Parts: sequence; C-alpha cells; structure tokens
Amino acid sequence: DAGITQSPRHKVTETGTPVTLRCHQTENHRYMYWYRQDPGHGLRLIHYSYGVKDTDKGEVSDGYSVSRSKTEDFLLTLESATSSQTSVYFCASQTGEVNTGELFFGEGSRLTVL
Amino acid sequence: KNQVEQSPQSLIILEGKNCTLQCNYTVSPFSNLRWYKQDTGRGPVSLTIMTFSENTKSNGRYTATLDADTKQSSLHITASQLSDSASYICVVSAASGGYNKLIFGAGTRLAVHP
Repeated sequence: DAGITQSPRHKVTETGTPVTLRCHQTENHRYMYWYRQDPGHGLRLIHYSYGVKDTDKGEVSDGYSVSRSKTEDFLLTLESATSSQTSVYFCASQTGEVNTGELFFGEGSRLTVL
Repeated sequence: KNQVEQSPQSLIILEGKNCTLQCNYTVSPFSNLRWYKQDTGRGPVSLTIMTFSENTKSNGRYTATLDADTKQSSLHITASQLSDSASYICVVSAASGGYNKLIFGAGTRLAVHP
C-alpha cells in the first residue's frame, strides 16, 4: 500500500476558527486530492493538485484553500470553519496516468465544528 | 449531470452466502469504472478498475462486471466472510484533461452475520 497519512485524525473546533489538515505521502505521486465524505453522499472533491505549487478547485471548494509546497505534502485549510464543514476529510494520492491511475486514500480526518 | 446510483443502500447476508451489488451511472465522457471497499473508520481501498472494453474483472472472491451499453455495473461477492462487512463504493471516472475526475456513488453498506 502507498504510504499516505493524514493528521490530525480527529479534531473538534469552534465556528470561526482556522483549521489546517495535513496529508503526507511517501510515494512521490504527482497527483493529490482532498475529498469530503458526508452521510448519504458520495465523496466530493474539494481541491486537487497536479504538482508542486499546482492546484485547482474541485466541485465543493468554497471555504477551503490548499497548498502544496513539496511533492509529499498537501495541506487543506479552512480559513474560518463553519458547522457545514463538519465532515470526514479524505486525502488521496494517485499513481500512473491522469484518468486511469490508481488512487490511494488516507485514513481520514474527522472534523467537528461546533 | 454526472451521477452514480447504487443499490441497495444496505444489505445483510449470512456468512458463506453470495451477494450482488448494483451500480448505474450516467457519466460522460466515460473513462473507467472502479469499485472500492471502505471499512468503518478507514479510507476506501481499490478492488477493481475496468475500462470500456472490459466486461468482467476479478479480485479474489470479488467479481465486477461492466455493461457499457446499459451503463450498469455489478459487484459479486462469493462465499462471504465476516471481514466483507463494509461499504462498497462504485466510482466512475470521467475522461478529463487536467485531473482524475471521479464521480462517487453513495455506497452500499454490507453486513455479513455469522
């Protein structure tokens, strides 16, 4: 399995506070993704990265920003957390070609915004 | 609108029995279809990836089928085990130039009872 870790695994915060989730991969994968998973919904893409300093928005990017200063690290930031951002966040990195490569997911970060 | 629908939402079977999970999709342009297994509290793990030209693909006791004409896929689990208890997620990749555009189903939650 690809070495991909997320931190923190659990976080409880208050509305209006900034939050940063970290994703770290050891496989030198070019593509990385941040998703959120909510009950009754499939995973939804927040942001993705196709290289160092190369990032773009996914389908649910409002209220989130990302940064990728090194190949191995992809950070997701909630500038001012809201209750609607309570969710489980998954990071993934991808091997191979852009459309056919395999994704490897982290264990998830459960965020609760009170 | 790109969509992936899975049925049933949940399923209970007895250990040793077989089961089949269904996936219907409306995704264009189609690149490939994937099945993932997600244990409770863990990230999704890939089971199979099928391209347009592949009708069947197996991974141990898991067999996925794809009918690209009717836009349907199924995941058959043979001789179920307690460890098969998990959510199974159907994911369709839409051909995209910039990143792996994945449309996730909401999953089927399978419980295998002794």
